[in-house]
Amino acid sequence: EAGVTQFPSHSVIEKGQTVTLRCDPISGHDNLYWYRRVMGKEIKFLLHFVKESKQDESGMPNNRFLAERTGGTYSTLKVQPAELEDSGVYFCASSRDRVDEQYFGPGTRLTVT
Amino acid sequence: ELKVEQNPLFLSMQEGKNYTIYCNYSTTSDRLYWYRQDPGKSLESLFVLLSNGAVKQEGRLMASLDTKARLSTLHITAAVHDLSATYFCAVEEGTYKYIFGTGTRLKVLA
Repeated sequence: EAGVTQFPSHSVIEKGQTVTLRCDPISGHDNLYWYRRVMGKEIKFLLHFVKESKQDESGMPNNRFLAERTGGTYSTLKVQPAELEDSGVYFCASSRDRVDEQYFGPGTRLTVT
Repeated sequence: ELKVEQNPLFLSMQEGKNYTIYCNYSTTSDRLYWYRQDPGKSLESLFVLLSNGAVKQEGRLMASLDTKARLSTLHITAAVHDLSATYFCAVEEGTYKYIFGTGTRLKVLA
């Protein structure tokens, strides 16, 4: 069974540009989560999808961040326009049910210069 | 608001030595997780602890949970170089939101 995959593994962009991160969950997992780790601090929850619906986006830092999950399969996280403080590692995770353990992807390292 | 404190942040130890990583959390929770991360790789699940007094062991790693003290420990026995990685604890808030500690970057020296 393939794990959670994320693309790209690393992205370097300039302040003000737009970046889109992609996450492919484990097949059959309806629940998808985004987290991020900024500046070596703790990994923080961003949002939770159940299929294509956002269930909880309480962790999204501001309206420059937009997450979507087309057809309940893969998800994208767009940052527009990117700011320096957005630099960090963005993790995606998925689970079959919300009470099941989450499985994490390798993360996308975003560097905003 | 649930808060998780993990220490130490950095740990450099000699092979063959023992050490413990601590994870304290501020409010009650049903589950606690320990993860390992190697550079550029996924968070690898090590242990899931569900109840007070739970103890799990895998190789040189042993995790325990004291829900009354809101404390979990990850004990490393006779460290080897292959254990070098970053270790995270995470506590579940509600049924799906994981609250992570800051991570412990472990380096085992030969």
